[in-house]
Amino acid sequence: GAVVSQHPSWVICKSGTSVKIECRSLDFQATTMFWYRQFPKQSLMLMATSNEGSKATYEQGVEKDKFLINHASLTLSTLTVTSAHPEDSSFYICSASTGREQYFGPGTRLTVT
Amino acid sequence: DAKTTQPPSMDCAEGRAANLPCNHSTISGNEYVYWYRQIHSQGPQYIIHGLKNNETNEMASLIITEDRKSSTLILPHATLRDTAVYYCIVSRGAGNNRKLIWGLGTSLAVNP
Repeated sequence: GAVVSQHPSWVICKSGTSVKIECRSLDFQATTMFWYRQFPKQSLMLMATSNEGSKATYEQGVEKDKFLINHASLTLSTLTVTSAHPEDSSFYICSASTGREQYFGPGTRLTVT
Repeated sequence: DAKTTQPPSMDCAEGRAANLPCNHSTISGNEYVYWYRQIHSQGPQYIIHGLKNNETNEMASLIITEDRKSSTLILPHATLRDTAVYYCIVSRGAGNNRKLIWGLGTSLAVNP
């Protein structure tokens, strides 16, 4: 089946630094990838839709200058959390679309101290 | 996309069938019903989806009412590893830019 990986699986960083999270589709090409954020005991919230070779589309309320998305190839999208603050601590999940279905990565746990 | 309503939690005995209901009374004709589940601290896992007809795969069965206003996900023989949050989502199925709007889901506890 379709496999999506994320790296790193968890990261701890200091306030004010930037963190990059990678999302890869391992056995299929994904023209579209999605980035979600999930706070404890809450549901997934879509942050942005990432299309290969074009700018990402951000959901209302998500700062595009703070959450930089780069969809460099058909198998890789990256999310960079810039100038991270403790309130950015969350579980970040990506998904990749085959055109028919979305397959999800295992998630990245970000803790900002 | 249509909203869905699910019970916040359910219990099921191991080996028995787990029947998870979902109401989607405002679903439109071109929207599919999708089910995903999320085991604690992992990414969501696709289970099954359907439009009008009942569907079955190796993981579960999906029963959609004739008026499409509700559906039931059936795990025929629940195991402890099926303990997870189950999300029912309705969404247009075509194309890459299909957004999934997530509710709070049903937290299913399978008990020994």
